[in-house]
Amino acid sequence: DAGITQSPRHKVTETGTPVTLRCHQTENHRYMYWYRQDPGHGLRLIHYSYGVKDTDKGEVSDGYSVSRSKTEDFLLTLESATSSQTSVYFCAISDVRGSPNTEAFFGQGTRLTVV
Amino acid sequence: GNSVTQMEGPVTLSEEAFLTINCTYTATGYPSLFWYVQYPGEGLQLLLKATKADDKGSNKGFEATYRKETTSFHLEKGSVQVSDSAVYFCALSKQGAQKLVFGQGTRLTINP
Repeated sequence: DAGITQSPRHKVTETGTPVTLRCHQTENHRYMYWYRQDPGHGLRLIHYSYGVKDTDKGEVSDGYSVSRSKTEDFLLTLESATSSQTSVYFCAISDVRGSPNTEAFFGQGTRLTVV
Repeated sequence: GNSVTQMEGPVTLSEEAFLTINCTYTATGYPSLFWYVQYPGEGLQLLLKATKADDKGSNKGFEATYRKETTSFHLEKGSVQVSDSAVYFCALSKQGAQKLVFGQGTRLTINP
């Protein structure tokens, strides 16, 4: 299994509070991604990173920010959590090397509930 | 934009039945196509992939053929097992764009 660890695995938080999810990899892969999984929508890309301090938005980035200060860590922050951000969040990594065909490896997910 | 559409689920079959999960895509150019599987309580893992037209991906008895003329990548298995119960996602990625676009997922349940 690819070395990807997400923390926490489960979290319940109140509306309006800040929340940070962490993704840690031991594979030294260049690309890291945050997706959210919701019924009827599959997985949707929130943000991704193509290197240290290099990040870009995905299709559902509003209300989220990310940071990558080290190759191995990619943080997702909800500045002020809302109930619409209740979801399962997945981190993924890939070592693309210029090809879109390389496999992406996924973490086990973080179930976030905003009450 | 790029999009993937999967057949609606859930799908329930008996063990040893034939499985087809339909997947069609919309994309400019020549995307790569993937099937990912998610077992209960786990993250996604790659099941198979195809990178150009007429390629066939295969793994664990599952197959899918990249059909550019019908923009499809249907997943098939000749004889399913209880252990195949999972959620299956079709996805694409575009040349030069390292991001996956997923379908909505199809939940498959196999009864003994």
